[in-house]
Amino acid sequence: GAVVSQHPSWVICKSGTSVKIECRSLDFQATTMFWYRQFPKQSLMLMATSNEGSKATYEQGVEKDKFLINHASLTLSTLTVTSAHPEDSSFYICSGLAGVTYEQYFGPGTRLTVT
Amino acid sequence: KNEVEQSPQNLTAQEGEFITINCSYSVGISALHWLQQHPGGGIVSLFMLSSGKKKHGRLIATINIQEKHSSLHITASHPRDSAVYICAVRSEETSGSRLTFGEGTQLTVNP
Repeated sequence: GAVVSQHPSWVICKSGTSVKIECRSLDFQATTMFWYRQFPKQSLMLMATSNEGSKATYEQGVEKDKFLINHASLTLSTLTVTSAHPEDSSFYICSGLAGVTYEQYFGPGTRLTVT
Repeated sequence: KNEVEQSPQNLTAQEGEFITINCSYSVGISALHWLQQHPGGGIVSLFMLSSGKKKHGRLIATINIQEKHSSLHITASHPRDSAVYICAVRSEETSGSRLTFGEGTQLTVNP
């Protein structure tokens, strides 16, 4: 199947700093990318949907100024957690939508710990 | 009531057993996904179904659109199959191909 990578796989940062997470589709063009967060023992929660070259659409309750999403190309989307707080500690997962098949391919996730 | 419900929530089996995980949904869908999440978090897409049945190795997924029900079967289960299995649906009514996820089924296969 198609491959989506995320970088970094884990990151520890201090409160108040910003962290950028990259999501790349390695062997397909992702016209749409989704960003999820997952708390322990819970299912994935959609944060935002981004389409290449346009502004992301955020889910209700997700602060767009705190979670900045950029989808600059068909193979790269980034999520920046600004002014991170301990409650932002979570597992962040991206997925790319293959335009032709509508199959979603998930990245391996990034574990963020804010101290 | 969740739009997507899975059963059982937890399942423990002995190596070699045949395993079935069920998923019921309450909305019209355009596709249903079965995902696997191993400890450590990475998610693998196992199947995307809109009708009928698909098979990949020891895994079989079926869907009955009329009954709004899907099953994931694992034949000759192995400890490496231990993971969380997640059912997710793409609703006909929702734009943008977003998925609605079930709560997941934690499968443990003992040697």
